[in-house]
Amino acid sequence: EMVMTQSPATLSVSPGERATLSCRASQDIRSNLAWYQQKPGQAPRLLIYGASIRATGIPARFSGSGSGTEFTLTISSLQSEDFAVYHCHQYSIWPLYTFGQGTKLEIK
Amino acid sequence: QVQLVQSGTEVKKPGSSVKVSCKASGGTFSSHTISWVRQAPGQGFEWMGRIIPIFDKANYAQKFQGRVTITADKSTNTSHMELSSLRPEDTAVYFCAKVSINWLDPWGQGTLVVVSS
Repeated sequence: EMVMTQSPATLSVSPGERATLSCRASQDIRSNLAWYQQKPGQAPRLLIYGASIRATGIPARFSGSGSGTEFTLTISSLQSEDFAVYHCHQYSIWPLYTFGQGTKLEIK
Repeated sequence: QVQLVQSGTEVKKPGSSVKVSCKASGGTFSSHTISWVRQAPGQGFEWMGRIIPIFDKANYAQKFQGRVTITADKSTNTSHMELSSLRPEDTAVYFCAKVSINWLDPWGQGTLVVVSS
């Protein structure tokens, strides 16, 4: 069974600083990973697919990296609108999608 | 650009069924795969299944096999997700999302389903 583990569960960062979020897969998923941003009461929004490709309209301060089992989402300079919950999603074992538990990014 | 709009909040009794709808506007509905995902309170996302409208074929996560039915009505550009034999632990927000290659984009706004006696 594929398990996606995100860390930390909660990350406290000040506006303007860099945030680094991690996602680990229990099996090799190559680059078959996406990241989503979720704000309360809103539809989740695709940020990154293919581990490192920004989706249309996503600001350049969002970047994704990694392959295999270790992945990172970096937000280079946090804006107020970036405080949200971030989810990783593996689609390597298709169509049996698996998601991480999410990382809540909060204002320090 | 496809937009997905879901039906409203449902409150159900244990043992009953719920049917959530997801209406697509823009794009070509029948050629897009629609996935259904749920999120229990304070939890991550859980994939339930998907349908390819043009083939009218659905696949389901093993956990929900036999309890979930996903359909697509090409005449109204709407997908439906029906979950039966509801239990309190089925209380969650249910999302539909268009599958773009393999990732999910865009998502519907979510439908809260509360299962309580």
